[in-house]
Amino acid sequence: DIVMTQSPDSLAVSLGERATINCKSSQSLLYSSNNNNYLAWFQQKPGQPPKLLIYWASTRESGVPDRFSGSGSGSDFTLTISSLQAEDVAVYYCQQYYSDPLTFGGGTKVEIK
Amino acid sequence: EVQLVESGGGLVQPGGSLRLSCAASGVTFSIHWMNWVRQAPGKGLEWVANIKLNGSEKNYVDSVRGRFIISRDDAENSLSLQMNSLRAEDTAVYYCVVSSGWVFRHWGQGTLVTVSS
Repeated sequence: DIVMTQSPDSLAVSLGERATINCKSSQSLLYSSNNNNYLAWFQQKPGQPPKLLIYWASTRESGVPDRFSGSGSGSDFTLTISSLQAEDVAVYYCQQYYSDPLTFGGGTKVEIK
Repeated sequence: EVQLVESGGGLVQPGGSLRLSCAASGVTFSIHWMNWVRQAPGKGLEWVANIKLNGSEKNYVDSVRGRFIISRDDAENSLSLQMNSLRAEDTAVYYCVVSSGWVFRHWGQGTLVTVSS
């Protein structure tokens, strides 16, 4: 099974400042035949289901603000919120869809400092 | 607009059974892989099972294999999860999820399953 490890577990960022979340996979998520990284990012607010933000490691889902960006390749990935807004307070999860069982990181809680 | 509505959750005793359902609308159900993902109270996300188009392939996380059965009815745009031999550790909110291009694109609101005596 591919293990997904997120860091930090939580972070507090001032409004308008940058938030950076890291995700490391126990094996590469890069499929060489199509050069795609099988990695997605989700945002979950309290009492709500997760919402897809980023897929293929860096492709923003339609309707997601451009302050959210994903980067990385292979086994190391990053979700960046360039200018934190109050509505971004949530738990963020990375997830690999390279192979079954599909697995998620443990989550990173983002709060306002 | 895609809508996924889960039902069937509730309180069940250890060793008991429960059947979850998911009614889909606003999506061409038959062309998508479908999934169940769960979240224990205060915990992270765990993929439980998925099913291919036409039900020709089914996959399960190890912890539920042999106890849970995923199925779909493309004519009714519905997904089901038959859960048998339930354990306390199966307590969670269960989400119905549409995969589009491998990606978990659409999620239901979830249904809570509580396994307790």
